[in-house]
Formats: sequence, C-alpha cells, structure tokens
Amino acid sequence: DGGITQSPKYLFRKEGQNVTLSCEQNLNHDAMYWYRQDPGQGLRLIYYSQIVNDFQKGDIAEGYSVSREKKESFPLTVTSAQKNPTAFYLCASRWGTLNTEAFFGQGTRLTVV
Amino acid sequence: QQQVKQSPQSLIVQKGGISIINCAYENTAFDYFPWYQQFPGKGPALLIAIRPDVSEKKEGRFTISFNKSAKQFSLHIMDSQPGDSATYFCAASRTGNTGKLIFGQGTTLQVKP
Repeated sequence: DGGITQSPKYLFRKEGQNVTLSCEQNLNHDAMYWYRQDPGQGLRLIYYSQIVNDFQKGDIAEGYSVSREKKESFPLTVTSAQKNPTAFYLCASRWGTLNTEAFFGQGTRLTVV
Repeated sequence: QQQVKQSPQSLIVQKGGISIINCAYENTAFDYFPWYQQFPGKGPALLIAIRPDVSEKKEGRFTISFNKSAKQFSLHIMDSQPGDSATYFCAASRTGNTGKLIFGQGTTLQVKP
C-alpha cells in the first residue's frame, strides 16, 4: 500500500537530548513537509523539501533540523535548542508545487520528561 | 498575507443538523483551498477541495462554498452524524509556491446523538 509512515508513534525526550523522528513515503512524491500541531494553533510548518538534498525553513524552524538524502525519506531532528518540544508532529508529502492532495502520516507524539 | 483564519474554534451540533465552519484568507494569489478531517491521534486526511474558478463544490454531505470577492470559504456538513465528530482544518496554497499549505487553526466538531 502506498502512503507515508511515521515512527515512532510515541517518543519521550529527556531535557538536553536530541531526538529524531522518522518519515518515509512510497508515493514517489517530490515534496515533503514537517508540521507541528499544538491545541488551538492548527498546523505550523517547520521545514519542507522540494527535492533531494535541498530543504527550506518553514515558519517555526528554530530548534529543529532535517535532511533529505533520499527521495523517500525526510527525518526531523528535535534538538536540545527547542525549548518547548512537546507536541504532535506530522509529516506530509505532495506532488511538487502542483495543487494536489497532500498526504499525511499518522503522526508522532513527542513528550518531554 | 499568509494567514488563514478559521472559526469557530469548537462547534457542537445535534445529529441531523448542519455544521458550518468558516475560513478567511488574505493572499489573493492562493488558488487551492482544501479541507482536511482529523480524528484523535491520527493524521489529517483530505475531505474536499475547491479552486477559485467555481463558487461551490459538493461531495455527498460535504459542500464547500467559495466567495472570491470576500476572500472567504466555508465547509457545510449536511445531516451531521456522530461519526463526523473530528477536527476540521481549512487550508490554502498557490501553484508554484513550494507547495506549502497554510492551515487554519482548526475546528473541533462534536455531533451529539
């Protein structure tokens, strides 16, 4: 089945730790996105990538980093510089810059302990 | 210019009633307006989308109404059912602009039996 797979579903981070969230898609989409979801704030864009080995900051990139070494994969690292990382993280993919459906993964819930 | 404002934040409707969620945008370059449905702990999924060359689009019980001059669009859910209870997000994007979707703040809908 084609789709986007995020892992893990739940992740716990200690203060000062970096953690990496995985996002893999087999839809052959060029563009991939990371969004952060907090109650009452909708989905805010963290990073996006339109092509392998290239990515751009979104609206709330501080404290996060990404890589795009393969078309299928777009991992997100939440660094210790992100002061309030507890949130629901969503990965999405889409056909480039065309106005077509964006497909989302099932999300990763990150909690600081 | 990049914002999409969504209201209400929460909505309670009786079974069989009509649910109405509104969104307003500022950027007149937007040319794609989707609505996403999200159940708790899941990723959003595309419900219905419209482009500005039409004023209304209907798919089953779900209808988007689009008012280009007012820069507003809305989702109407007819004959609302308890299974429609979810969070709904409007969004907007424009062709060629990196494919970024700009999301509203979300509306939590509860349909009472």
